[in-house]
Amino acid sequence: EDKVVQSPLSLVVHEGDTVTLNCSYEVTNFRSLLWYKQEKKAPTFLFMLTSSGIEKKSGRLSSILDKKELFSILNITATQTGDSAVYLCAVARGSTLGRLYFGRGTQLTVWP
Amino acid sequence: DAGITQSPRHKVTETGTPVTLRCHQTENHRYMYWYRQDPGHGLRLIHYSYGVKDTDKGEVSDGYSVSRSKTEDFLLTLESATSSQTSVYFCAISEGQGASEQPQHFGDGTRLSIL
Repeated sequence: EDKVVQSPLSLVVHEGDTVTLNCSYEVTNFRSLLWYKQEKKAPTFLFMLTSSGIEKKSGRLSSILDKKELFSILNITATQTGDSAVYLCAVARGSTLGRLYFGRGTQLTVWP
Repeated sequence: DAGITQSPRHKVTETGTPVTLRCHQTENHRYMYWYRQDPGHGLRLIHYSYGVKDTDKGEVSDGYSVSRSKTEDFLLTLESATSSQTSVYFCAISEGQGASEQPQHFGDGTRLSIL
């Protein structure tokens, strides 16, 4: 059975801290791994990591993919209260028309 | 924001009644998806579509049906709603070519309560 496991499930930090969110996966025919941020409503796309793009960075957020060890991390530096959200990891398999398999998410709370 | 509109945004109904949720997109994307989100389970795929009249089941499809008669609209129907179908429902879309290499973009969700 395919699995996507995120850790920790919840995390509380203070503004300015650096956080690392983890996502491990066991799926057949892996194609890509995606990170989303979900505040109150729709998940919003952050990064997609594939064999041809195993490291991505956007401002204070960065992510890497380790295809050998089957995990990804999402780093957020100098956290702000606006980073408070649920961060979702999802994996796409090559043969399944873009279907995504999601982890349960990490609830990040950033205190001022 | 991706041009995705879900309707209704909130609905309360009774067990045994039929319910239809609508997802409308203005992006002309080929692929559309319905997910449900429940505490402790994350997002789970119900059904998806890879073109007009082309649909397939996801991992939690029991009790749900879908239809796609136009590129822009993807309907999710609960034929006879049950309390276990109380959830937040999200629609997502992605572009046509190489769907596995294109990110999905989500609508704002429909909160459905079945009493």
